[in-house]
Amino acid sequence: GAGVSQSPSNKVTEKGKDVELRCDPISGHTALYWYRQSLGQGLEFLIYFQGNSAPDKSGLPSDRFSAERTGGSVSTLTIQRTQQEDSAVYLCASSLDRVTTEAFFGQGTRLTVV
Amino acid sequence: AQTVTQSQPEMSVQEAETVTLSCTYDTSESDYYLFWYKQPPSRQMILVIRQEAYKQQNATENRFSVNFQKAAKSFSLKISDSQLGDAAMYFCAYRSRGAGNQFYFGTGTSLTVIP
Repeated sequence: GAGVSQSPSNKVTEKGKDVELRCDPISGHTALYWYRQSLGQGLEFLIYFQGNSAPDKSGLPSDRFSAERTGGSVSTLTIQRTQQEDSAVYLCASSLDRVTTEAFFGQGTRLTVV
Repeated sequence: AQTVTQSQPEMSVQEAETVTLSCTYDTSESDYYLFWYKQPPSRQMILVIRQEAYKQQNATENRFSVNFQKAAKSFSLKISDSQLGDAAMYFCAYRSRGAGNQFYFGTGTSLTVIP
């Protein structure tokens, strides 16, 4: 695609429900990142995928968070049993490879847990 | 882990004037990249400018330039001839050139441009 695409753009969910956030990176980009942006905070790293290597999951805040990347392309971030503190904007970015400096971001998914 | 600090939560500038946004970082590495990203209300992060740490020359992109002080671990962004479209959140970011490719971001500076 022309850019990084994220869906949905906005999501409101009830506390305790599971949600799935989708990221479609730029075609051919092997590196994919998920970040969380809470109100008044910077971007918090969640997880990084690079090609077929094992993902760097060091930023996932709890075992309720998981992510996968199928076929080296589309990625899904899943949050189970959502809590109010999960409310944030979730940003996805992709990069051509692990050495290319620039990362391209999607417009994010704003998650609101009520 | 590396840390990036932006000490100015909010800044304002008169249209056509110049403004400087501050950023400091902490790292023990010698080879890395630094970035300034802009985030307008649309939420999409846009790369404004980048600097390779091994380059002594400060990066410049049209009205945007940086003052990179490696020894002081300082990386400020100067916006000249400010325009209304420059109003946004600005994030400073660090990325290692070696292993571990995540970006480390500061907490951002909200820039208001006054007509």
